[in-house]
Amino acid sequence: GENVEQHPSTLSVQEGDSAVIKCTYSDSASNYFPWYKQELGKGPQLIIDIRSNVGEKKDQRIAVTLNKTAKHFSLHITETQPEDSAVYFCAAIYTGTASKLTFGTGTRLQVTL
Amino acid sequence: EAQVTQNPRYLITVTGKKLTVTCSQNMNHEYMSWYRQDPGLGLRQIYYSMNVEVTDKGDVPEGYKVSRKEKRNFPLILESPSPNQTSLYFCASSFSGPRADTQYFGPGTRLTVL
Repeated sequence: GENVEQHPSTLSVQEGDSAVIKCTYSDSASNYFPWYKQELGKGPQLIIDIRSNVGEKKDQRIAVTLNKTAKHFSLHITETQPEDSAVYFCAAIYTGTASKLTFGTGTRLQVTL
Repeated sequence: EAQVTQNPRYLITVTGKKLTVTCSQNMNHEYMSWYRQDPGLGLRQIYYSMNVEVTDKGDVPEGYKVSRKEKRNFPLILESPSPNQTSLYFCASSFSGPRADTQYFGPGTRLTVL
């Protein structure tokens, strides 16, 4: 089955700096890679996703890049703000037959003033 | 408001005492799923359901049961809870599964089994 590794487990950045979270996956057939943000006391919420036919996707201050050859994808947050502080999860799935997402272990991002 | 609700939000119980965590969604989603979240392990799927009366095991189904008698409800049943089931549980739903649709997560249920 799919295995997703996520690094780092914790990340502290100053407000205004950029943050990068990296994930690797094992199943070369995986073709959909969402990122979820989990704020304290809440359930995860989808913030951006990318499909394997695209190398990069941006949405305002967040972007995701995908390297299919190396089987890794990354979340980039620019101009970080205190409200970006949360736990971020990456995930991977093969949309052809799979019915479940495989999640990474999460990254706790702390944006300090 | 479109949402996934879970009850209770917090529960402390003792080993062996059967319990049910309810999950309900008001978005007419076909796919529903249960996850548990543990420190350092991320989110792991317990069971999922593609539609009414259709359920299947996820990665960690041992010690859990589910049922899907109605489209909107997907309760998680622990027949004989044990301390290793102490965890944070999330229910999620989507239109047709995580393959193509966004999963919407509930607020979570923090379960402690003594």
